[in-house]
Amino acid sequence: DGGITQSPKYLFRKEGQNVTLSCEQNLNHDAMYWYRQDPGQGLRLIYYSQIVNDFQKGDIAEGYSVSREKKESFPLTVTSAQKNPTAFYLCASSILADSNQPQHFGDGTRLSIL
Amino acid sequence: GENVEQHPSTLSVQEGDSAVIKCTYSDSASNYFPWYKQELGKRPQLIIDIRSNVGEKKDQRIAVTLNKTAKHFSLHITETQPEDSAVYFCAASTPEDMRFGAGTRLTVKP
Repeated sequence: DGGITQSPKYLFRKEGQNVTLSCEQNLNHDAMYWYRQDPGQGLRLIYYSQIVNDFQKGDIAEGYSVSREKKESFPLTVTSAQKNPTAFYLCASSILADSNQPQHFGDGTRLSIL
Repeated sequence: GENVEQHPSTLSVQEGDSAVIKCTYSDSASNYFPWYKQELGKRPQLIIDIRSNVGEKKDQRIAVTLNKTAKHFSLHITETQPEDSAVYFCAASTPEDMRFGAGTRLTVKP
């Protein structure tokens, strides 16, 4: 969906460095999500946000942080506390978190360790 | 919480044959079941979904069936084509939470 933009497409992190992945949507969706995708493990939820200035931890939130200052934006920071950050990160959004609507995904960011 | 299991993890079929991917879920409160297709290096895209008040849904060569009693649902692709080759994910959703299966890599051999 062209309405969700993730950047950058590829990102490299050095030891001890924090990096931030961008996710912007112009679909006017209320809910936004961050997933981590590793081979053979499907999509694991890191954080999600249902409204501005509110977000909830998912299953694997340790070593990550997020903010939701604007409805359109949900950046994810991979901190130095995340010891195995190499993965494909997907951002998604949906109309409402509690209405059983499909999630629409961005193109993803592939993060690697230098 | 919800747990979604998906089988098989890999599936290889000849062009023109049918492919079936099965998922089971644990939370009886789940009432929405989307299926996503992810081509290599691209975003997952919704291909079909079903809600708990429906037992089957079809869209051209794709169909999904749901058995709420047994807590399983399946994706059926008929007359497969090489462009159907991708990773397919099932998901089960309650109003608060959506969980994904681990994915099935489908290869359609010409």
